[in-house]
Amino acid sequence: AQSVTQLGSHVSVSEGALVLLRCNYSSSVPPYLFWYVQYPNQGLQLLLKYTSAATLVKGINGFEAEFKKSETSFHLTKPSAHMSDAAEYFCAVSSTDSWGKLQFGAGTQVVVTP
Amino acid sequence: DTEVTQTPKHLVMGMTNKKSLKCEQHMGHRAMYWYKQKAKKPPELMFVYSYEKLSINESVPSRFSPECPNSSLLNLHLHALQPEDSALYLCASSQDSEAFFGQGTRLTVV
Repeated sequence: AQSVTQLGSHVSVSEGALVLLRCNYSSSVPPYLFWYVQYPNQGLQLLLKYTSAATLVKGINGFEAEFKKSETSFHLTKPSAHMSDAAEYFCAVSSTDSWGKLQFGAGTQVVVTP
Repeated sequence: DTEVTQTPKHLVMGMTNKKSLKCEQHMGHRAMYWYKQKAKKPPELMFVYSYEKLSINESVPSRFSPECPNSSLLNLHLHALQPEDSALYLCASSQDSEAFFGQGTRLTVV
């Protein structure tokens, strides 16, 4: 079975500071990993994905994530937080036979302070 | 067009009502999904349709009945729901290595 664990349900960062959201996965096969963002009362938007190509993945809005097999991690970072980054972030792993069959982590709420 | 469109955006229904949620995509995706998301929780998979056939039902109660009339359309029929079924219902479609989500229907059962 595949699963992901997000460390920290809430993260508070200052505007301009580094954003670091942690995600660890558990999988018996090479995983396909995703980060999604959800703004209040909205659907989910894909930030970036790892599908066994480059281990450093760049996404939208200045976010990037690095797949580290030795640490079973896929942490999300952004060098400089913007007020518009305030949202809920979900790490997810997908089934290898169905890209949309996603197992989500519990989510991390990001608050950005001026 | 990379949109998944869900209607209605909001729905309030009584426990004896019958209603339907609608999801539409015109990206040619052959896999479509229903997810349920409770407040402050991650989305949970309910149903998967592949090539218009139901391939996965995650032990969802029968008061939720999915339907895929064609490759672009996915419905979720609701009947005799309970207040605890109040949630955000998300539709998604996928192809290649990406799933696209709709904006969801906020359902309130009274």
